[in-house]
Amino acid sequence: GNSVTQMEGPVTLSEEAFLTINCTYTATGYPSLFWYVQYPGEGLQLLLKATKADDKGSNKGFEATYRKETTSFHLEKGSVQVSDSAVYFCALIWNSGNTPLVFGKGTRLSVIA
Amino acid sequence: SAVISQKPSRDICQRGTSLTIQCQVDSQVTMMFWYRQQPGQSLTLIATANQGSEATYESGFVIDKFPISRPNLTFSTLTVSNMSPEDSSIYLCSGGQSSYEQYFGPGTRLTVT
Repeated sequence: GNSVTQMEGPVTLSEEAFLTINCTYTATGYPSLFWYVQYPGEGLQLLLKATKADDKGSNKGFEATYRKETTSFHLEKGSVQVSDSAVYFCALIWNSGNTPLVFGKGTRLSVIA
Repeated sequence: SAVISQKPSRDICQRGTSLTIQCQVDSQVTMMFWYRQQPGQSLTLIATANQGSEATYESGFVIDKFPISRPNLTFSTLTVSNMSPEDSSIYLCSGGQSSYEQYFGPGTRLTVT
């Protein structure tokens, strides 16, 4: 079946450090890939997405590139801030239209000043 | 984009009782989904709700326990019936014109005592 595997957390970084959160997927065909962020006490917000191979999604300084050859969609940010502290979820949609998201287990990021 | 609100934002309920969670979208959406997020865990899909038809439940979730209504394109409810402490979770709804653009509500934090 379709699945998403994320690196285990929690991840603790100092402000301005480089962030990578690994995400790999297993899916039939070519899924669309997403990163969602959940700030403390809030729901999920779409951070970025990529719908085909080699697409790069970017938002708020975060980037992720859809790598078909390695079935990966790693999240990166060059310089994290304390306000980036949150739980990050990698997710996929296998088919077009009306199928639900498949989520990874989430990675908690804590950024300290 | 769509803005989704949920009521209540949190509740503490006694075992054996039922709670109905409301999900309101500020625009018409084709698809609505209900998820459960147990403490420190990822999101698990409960069911998919389309307007005018019965909800489609995922394995492990049944209509008698989690009845869902979808009376129109902007509203849905999820009832958690005959609650036990194991039902303590955050319940989130999401919606969108397609799965590629899913927007999430802030969640309902349920504690069952």
